This record gives sequence, C-alpha cells and structure tokens, in this order.
Amino acid sequence: AQSVTQPDIHITVSEGASLELRCNYSYGATPYLFWYVQSPGQGLQLLLKYFSGDTLVQGIKGFEAEFKRSQSSFNLRKPSVHWSDAAEYFCAVALNTGGFKTIFGAGTRLFVKA
Amino acid sequence: NAGVTQTPKFRILKIGQSMTLQCTQDMNHNYMYWYRQDPGMGLKLIYYSVGAGITDKGEVPNGYNVSRSTTEDFPLRLELAAPSQTSVYFCASRPFQGNTEAFFGQGTRLTVV
Repeated sequence: AQSVTQPDIHITVSEGASLELRCNYSYGATPYLFWYVQSPGQGLQLLLKYFSGDTLVQGIKGFEAEFKRSQSSFNLRKPSVHWSDAAEYFCAVALNTGGFKTIFGAGTRLFVKA
Repeated sequence: NAGVTQTPKFRILKIGQSMTLQCTQDMNHNYMYWYRQDPGMGLKLIYYSVGAGITDKGEVPNGYNVSRSTTEDFPLRLELAAPSQTSVYFCASRPFQGNTEAFFGQGTRLTVV
C-alpha cells in the first residue's frame, strides 16, 4: 500500500537559517506530490506541487522542493526561515487512479527560534 | 467563489448522539473526500466519492457513513458518536481531470464527551 514518511516529528531552526524537511514515499507508479502547511487551528494551505517536468519546483513563501525518483523523496527547502514559518508541514502524494486519493504524511512541526 | 464550505465549524456531541457534517462545493468537482485529523497527526481518509451516487471507503471508515446524491454535496454521518471520533474533519474536492491538487474546506472541530 502507498505510504508517506516524514522522518522528523519536529525540527527547530534559528531565524535566518536554512531549512530542509524530509519526505519519502512508497508508491509503485509515478506519484503526484504536494507540500501543505498548517498553522495552529487553521486549515491546509498548499505550498507547492509536482506533477511532471522539472524536478525542482518553486512554491509560495520562498519554498522549493526537489523530486528525486531514485530516492523516492520530495524534500522541502527554504534558504532563510522567518519566524512566521513556524507551523506544521505535511507532505502528501496522490495517484491518478482510484479516485485520485491523496495520502498524507504524519507531519513535521517547525519551531523557529530568535 | 466560495470553494469548499463545511458546516458547522465547531460541535460538541455526547456519546451515542448522531450528527451530520455538511460539505458543499461550488466548483462542479467530480471527486470529493472526507478526512479526519487527530491531534499531532496527519490527515486520514475516511470516505471518498468519484461522482454523484458513487462512494467508497478510505483508510478509516468505521463509525461513519456518507452519501452523494448531488455533485455539490457530500455529507458525513456519525450514527453513534464515540470519544474516539473527537477530531478535526476536513472535506476536500478536486476536478476529474487536470494537474491540480485537492481543495480543502476550513474544517469542523468535533468533540465527543
């Protein structure tokens, strides 16, 4: 069965430092890949998505992610973190079959210290 | 354009009570989904629908029922509420075709006491 793994439950970075959040997936076919962000008590906001083409995708708020097929990974990066980036980040995958169900990872909580 | 609308936003239920979480989308999307999110966890798929009259189970369907009589509406029914169903529920939709993500509602926070 398909699954999404986010190995880091929480990460703490200093404001201005770079960030990388890891995501690995288990799928038999080429997946569609997403990163969402969720602030406490809020809904989900899409940061970026990958369907095909260039494996480095740019998103909102200065985030980017790179799809590496050989590693089954889709890691999220940001060169300089702002205090407002503190939130929960979810990696998700979907297959274009069977209702295009989106499967989510357990999330990584980002803390930003001054 | 309202997108995906969920009602109510908050609800407290007593054990054994029943209720329906409403979800409506105005984008004419074929696919609709219900997820639950437990504290500190990701979203788990409860049920989904690929069109009016067609529904199927997701990862965690026990204790829930759904129906899809129209393209716009996809209500989620809890028949006998249990404390384990305390969660935040998200409804989502997406079109049948196109390289696009699912669009999410703002969620319903349900507490069963």
